[in-house]
Order: sequence, then C-alpha cells, then structure tokens
Amino acid sequence: EPEVTQTPSHQVTQMGQEVILRCVPISNHLYFYWYRQILGQKVEFLVSFYNNEISEKSEIFDDQFSVERPDGSNFTLKIRSTKLEDSAMYFCASSPGTGVSPLHFGNGTRLTVT
Amino acid sequence: GEDVEQSLFLSVREGDSSVINCTYTDSSSTYLYWYKQEPGAGLQLLTYIFSNMDMKQDQRLTVLLNKKDKHLSLRIADTQTGDSAIYFCAEIVLSGTYKYIFGTGTRLKVLA
Repeated sequence: EPEVTQTPSHQVTQMGQEVILRCVPISNHLYFYWYRQILGQKVEFLVSFYNNEISEKSEIFDDQFSVERPDGSNFTLKIRSTKLEDSAMYFCASSPGTGVSPLHFGNGTRLTVT
Repeated sequence: GEDVEQSLFLSVREGDSSVINCTYTDSSSTYLYWYKQEPGAGLQLLTYIFSNMDMKQDQRLTVLLNKKDKHLSLRIADTQTGDSAIYFCAEIVLSGTYKYIFGTGTRLKVLA
C-alpha cells in the first residue's frame, strides 16, 4: 500500500539554525498538510497546500515557516530560525481530495532544538 | 472555537473491552475519525463515522456517535496487547477550507 514517507526521522538542531523537513506524499494525492505535536499536547494543524500554493495556514505558521513542493514529488517544511519551542514531532499528511477525504500520515520527524 | 477533548490514559486487561471517549465542540462536523498511533509511527486511520449515523461497526471496532451531546466513542472488543497505542479522535470542520481538529490522544495500555 502506498504510504507517505518523511525524512529524517529525527533532527537535532541548535536554536537559530534553519531546518528543512522532507516529505514524499502519496503519488496521486493532491492535498498536502503539515501538522505538529508538541510532547504531551494535541496534534496541531500548521498548513495545507494545494495546486502549488498554501490553501490555509494556522496562527502557528508564521513568517519563520515556509512550505514548498520543489519537484512534483517532495513536499518540504522549512523553519528559518528555529526556537526552543519549535521542538515537536512534525507530521506530513496527504489526501486525494479535499473535504472529507481521510488524511494519510507519515511517521513524523522528531525535531529537537537545543 | 473548535476543540476536541479526550482522556489521556486508559488501561485494560487483555480480552476485555476498551472504550475510548471523545467530545467535540463543532456541531457542523460532517465526519469524525479515529486514528491510531503506534510507537515511532504516524497516525493510521482506523475508522470514521458520518455525522448522520449513530453507530458504525467494523470487526472488533464499534464507533458510537451522540450528536446531541457531541460525544464520540470507540469500543475495541477483545482488546489485545497489539492494540496498545495512542488513539486520536478528530473532527473535520469547514473553516475557510476543510480542517481536521485532533484531540490530545488517549494512551491505551493493554495488560497481559
């Protein structure tokens, strides 16, 4: 069964550094998402992406964050200048359609900012 | 605003039934979902229910929806040690675009 893959599984970075989290969504899916989960807290929506542009973003997704689909297969989340509070598990998801199509999640990237 | 609440922990003995509860706030939710997260893995869709249904059964899983009380539950019959995981309730709301709202997750521990 096709799956969403994320790399790396764990990323450690120093405060102020830039990180790029990578995702390969399921190939025939059209909608892409990033969620994050701070340890012990809820899974929070960050951003949705469709047709090569952001369709919605949350308050968390400020100017430090950006997303890109550089080559038609990868979907990346960039954090320009990481803060300690960015430490979390970041999940990529994709879905074939909008609305009520279930999301298919990757295994996540654990980001640790020191 | 939109919110989904779950209890954090549940412990059951192998062979017993588990019931994981969830409450949500947005009455316009069209679908409600249960996802399972095993250690080191992503969120895997377990089952879902359309908001005009009261119950859905899928093998050992039974989903009950009380739309009046905005209460959703997941019952796992004959719980096995392999069911130990974190279970997330999620609702889908229309807020500009469709958006999933997840709960905190309930950590289910199955005791042998």
